[in-house]
Amino acid sequence: AQKVTQAQTEISVVEKEDVTLDCVYETRDTTYYLFWYKQPPSGELVFLIRRNSFDEQNEISGRYSWNFQKSTSSFNFTITASQVVDSAVYFCALRNYGQNFVFGPGTRLSVLP
Amino acid sequence: GAVVSQHPSRVICKSGTSVKIECRSLDFQATTMFWYRQFPKQSLMLMATSNEGSKATYEQGVEKDKFLINHASLTLSTLTVTSAHPEDSSFYICSAKNRDPVNTEAFFGQGTRLTVV
Repeated sequence: AQKVTQAQTEISVVEKEDVTLDCVYETRDTTYYLFWYKQPPSGELVFLIRRNSFDEQNEISGRYSWNFQKSTSSFNFTITASQVVDSAVYFCALRNYGQNFVFGPGTRLSVLP
Repeated sequence: GAVVSQHPSRVICKSGTSVKIECRSLDFQATTMFWYRQFPKQSLMLMATSNEGSKATYEQGVEKDKFLINHASLTLSTLTVTSAHPEDSSFYICSAKNRDPVNTEAFFGQGTRLTVV
């Protein structure tokens, strides 16, 4: 069975602080993909990143960075110098090859001015 | 990237009526489409998997007679909520998977917010 856990239900930070959103996953498959999506109040899912199970390189994209640790089954997401526009619900998701997404419960991030 | 169009984005309907939601892959063929439901302040949960030309597969606890899924072509799947009730009010979102055996990426529609009054 596949499962994604996001231990932080809600996080509040003040603008310009760094914040890390945790994600731990479970799967028996050796080939899988991990994702992060942002969901603003309007509801649509905004794709942030996809990582396949064979690529453990960390990635940085502007203020966003991701740390994939296969040994601990974690795929954490860090926002550096947070901004008010970063306020949203963030979902970590797992997808096995060709199958549906399994989403974590989400972390609601509030960035206060 | 590939585009999945979902329509309507918002719908309000009266209790007891039926509502149809469309999910179209605009620039690729999708043999498989997934339908998810998201209740307020909750995560997205898979409702059903729709395969072109065959019956949909429903997740446990999802009533197949209430949530009718039709995937008649490689670019269109529809979800019909029949005899909608207020407890069906939710955010419904589809995901379409590319039929390409090499590129099996999946893309999301914009979602449909259903309110049943």
